[in-house]
Amino acid sequence: DTEVTQTPKHLVMGMTNKKSLKCEQHMGHRAMYWYKQKAKKPPELMFVYSYEKLSINESVPSRFSPECPNSSLLNLHLHALQPEDSALYLCASSLLGLAGGPHSGANVLTFGAGSRLTVL
Amino acid sequence: QQQVKQSPQSLIVQKGGISIINCAYENTAFDYFPWYQQFPGKGPALLIAIRPDVSEKKEGRFTISFNKSAKQFSLHIMDSQPGDSATYFCAARRRETSGSRLTFGEGTQLTVNP
Repeated sequence: DTEVTQTPKHLVMGMTNKKSLKCEQHMGHRAMYWYKQKAKKPPELMFVYSYEKLSINESVPSRFSPECPNSSLLNLHLHALQPEDSALYLCASSLLGLAGGPHSGANVLTFGAGSRLTVL
Repeated sequence: QQQVKQSPQSLIVQKGGISIINCAYENTAFDYFPWYQQFPGKGPALLIAIRPDVSEKKEGRFTISFNKSAKQFSLHIMDSQPGDSATYFCAARRRETSGSRLTFGEGTQLTVNP
């Protein structure tokens, strides 16, 4: 299995709603990522989990709350979002650390198809 | 501060032509340079990647040329096809103990006309 699976594919929510995005991978990757992508822009890193622990938070507002229940699952909990938070949310995973040796492609990111979020 | 600069922003090529996308980076700590292809409504998919100690890598119609001294690399798509129409992102990777940190270029929207 070489896929990162994201659900739901599309989500529409109001500013007072609470919803969650889910991500799953079974490649044995121990690093998992959340990215946000606006139209015609590159993905922007939000969070990184390594060994199920939050290792990077790129100063993301607290209305986004990540969770990594186990090594295969990654959630992004959404609450009190703003219309400008509408975007494609991408999950990715990779091997961790120096796996594969220097200059190795072993831990290049594999992305999911994304969850298209619309905040009304 | 943009650490990976990509050009052109958009590119229109006729079927069978060569598409060329260029990127330049600044940080010498980058150790791997992947290219991602993204179709509308989909996530980025790894297309081809190169190490900094290699000057060229070819996979089918796709070739990366890498110039370490100039800190530049480029993607060449030979015999471009309408199915290649997508957005292409170059990226540079810096590995950390917490995972791989990718810095993306701004993207190039490629249109291949039939």
